[in-house]
Amino acid sequence: DVKVTQSSRYLVKRTGEKVFLECVQDMDHENMFWYRQDPGLGLRLIYFSYDVKMKEKGDIPEGYSVSREKKERFSLILESASTNQTSMYLCASSLPSLGGPGRQYFGPGTRLTVT
Amino acid sequence: DAKTTQPPSMDCAEGRAANLPCNHSTISGNEYVYWYRQIHSQGPQYIIHGLKNNETNEMASLIITEDRKSSTLILPHATLRDTAVYYCIVRVDNNNDMRFGAGTRLTVKP
Repeated sequence: DVKVTQSSRYLVKRTGEKVFLECVQDMDHENMFWYRQDPGLGLRLIYFSYDVKMKEKGDIPEGYSVSREKKERFSLILESASTNQTSMYLCASSLPSLGGPGRQYFGPGTRLTVT
Repeated sequence: DAKTTQPPSMDCAEGRAANLPCNHSTISGNEYVYWYRQIHSQGPQYIIHGLKNNETNEMASLIITEDRKSSTLILPHATLRDTAVYYCIVRVDNNNDMRFGAGTRLTVKP
């Protein structure tokens, strides 16, 4: 089974801190994604990556950056955390579609609280 | 990607079939229908997907209308552990992300 792990289930940070959220997948997937989930807003895509050192902005990239130095690891960075970044953060990975339908495998999520 | 419309909530009795509808009237010919679910405090979980034909796996069945403008996810014998938010997503087959809407909150009752 594909396993996607996230570094923390719960995290509390102060306003202005730099925050790193780590995601690791063990199935050699090319694609990796970061979402945030908020009540009433569903899942929203922050960034995604098709390959090492490649990144693409999603719907809400402002205030975030990402890093993909190794295929199995995709990091989400909050350069200066703010209270409106309090949310559940979900990482996912998938194979490229390669002419066939793809599916995403999600991690358990990190609930980040910024005080 | 085509938009989808799902009822916000549904109830189902334990042991009965749960039928979750999804409307996607603007679906294009190359768009697939995907279903995911999210149990409380967990990440979303893939259930099933299809293009034109009905599909069945160990978790559920997917019925797609002939005009492809709507579909139904069927959980044949719902259990309490099937209580979750169910998302219907329509997407083209490429490397892009999944666009999750609000989904249907299914509550399975004893």
